[in-house]
Amino acid sequence: GESVGLHLPTLSVQEGDNSIINCAYSNSASDYFIWYKQESGKGPQFIIDIRSNMDKRQGQRVTVLLNKTVKHLSLQIAATQPGDSAVYFCAENSGGSNYKLTFGKGTLLTVNP
Amino acid sequence: SQTIHQWPATLVQPVGSPLSLECTVEGTSNPNLYWYRQAAGRGLQLLFYSVGIGQISSEVPQNLSASRPQDRQFILSSKKLLLSDSGFYLCAWSFRVGKETQYFGPGTRLLVL
Repeated sequence: GESVGLHLPTLSVQEGDNSIINCAYSNSASDYFIWYKQESGKGPQFIIDIRSNMDKRQGQRVTVLLNKTVKHLSLQIAATQPGDSAVYFCAENSGGSNYKLTFGKGTLLTVNP
Repeated sequence: SQTIHQWPATLVQPVGSPLSLECTVEGTSNPNLYWYRQAAGRGLQLLFYSVGIGQISSEVPQNLSASRPQDRQFILSSKKLLLSDSGFYLCAWSFRVGKETQYFGPGTRLLVL
């Protein structure tokens, strides 16, 4: 079936560096994408979203890039901080009236001081 | 602003005992509601979703059931817990129309012994 997946299950970076977390999706009908951050023992927290009519969206220290040609989504975190250490999930919505999301497995980001 | 609550935060139950997890949402009306289970180191598995009072859709056959007795209340239940029911249970809500973003609660850690 169609699914959302991640290229890298783990990513380790130095504090102050930029981080890039990648996600591949296979459903060409998906029109909405979300990145979530999940700290240990907590529920996922919304970070940023992007619709398929855009290829880039920026938030505070975060940028999401969407490449529909190769069905690829990435999350860029600028000046990574220890508090950014968490599991990051991408999710896609392929449309429909019930707004169900398909989640990737997640990437564990570890920020070294 | 909207908030979502879950309780209890943690629960240890013997095999064969009943289960009731509660989720409530504040600050919005007519939300879509969702129950997910997350096994350790795994992604999110959608269990149930609801688009209105008394309207429950099940995503996977299992030992669990869900109910929505009030607009902003969602309950996850079981008559007899199995060892395999252990996990991290997450409730989420989304707007009924216009936005697909799901917002998650803090989760309930369930350990069945």
